[in-house]
Amino acid sequence: EVQLVESGGGLVQPGGSLRLSCVASGFTFNMFWMTWVRQAPGKGLEWVANIKQDGSEEYYVESAEGRFTISRDNAENSVYLQMNNLRVEDTAVYYCARDANLWGFDYWGQGTLVTVSS
Amino acid sequence: EIVVTQSPGTLSLSPGETATLSCRASQSLSGTYLAWYQQKPGQSPRLLIYGASYRATDTPDRFSGSGSGTDFTLTISRLEPEDFVVYYCQQYGSSPPTFGQGTMVEI
Repeated sequence: EVQLVESGGGLVQPGGSLRLSCVASGFTFNMFWMTWVRQAPGKGLEWVANIKQDGSEEYYVESAEGRFTISRDNAENSVYLQMNNLRVEDTAVYYCARDANLWGFDYWGQGTLVTVSS
Repeated sequence: EIVVTQSPGTLSLSPGETATLSCRASQSLSGTYLAWYQQKPGQSPRLLIYGASYRATDTPDRFSGSGSGTDFTLTISRLEPEDFVVYYCQQYGSSPPTFGQGTMVEI
């Protein structure tokens, strides 16, 4: 059974940092791109970042460029999102998802809530 | 960036009826990289349809997707009570992948 479990969310002040983690199980992790998607309270879905199987390529939504860094550890079956200089508008539930290329984002974690507030 | 627009924002129907949800892309999608997701309250999104018309694992056959180019449709036949939730379409053939704003199907 494929499982994705996020952690690391919490309350942080504007300008602060958080590191989100996502541990995967039930599939061959190093064969898939991985992605982070967020959802602000009461709003829709927004793709944030993704990373290639070997970590050699990574892409970001424009609002995250220069502030967020996605990384992965294939030995630990984990993907991370380091978020720096957080803004109030980054407040959202952050989901980790498996990017199955032709097949869309086929598995999602339960999400972790990030609240940026003073 | 490809903008994806869903309509209507809210669809009011009754159990047993058919729902037709629309999704329009601002540019033609190569390879029909269009997906539909269902999101129930308090839950993470769930993939329903990929490649515009292929049902994902465990997607009931009352859900069907169609379309190409810039115009796509999700049809839900014989609405069940658990189908009255929010649906998102997403294009994933061009970076960045982008989602529509969602359609809520309500009773």
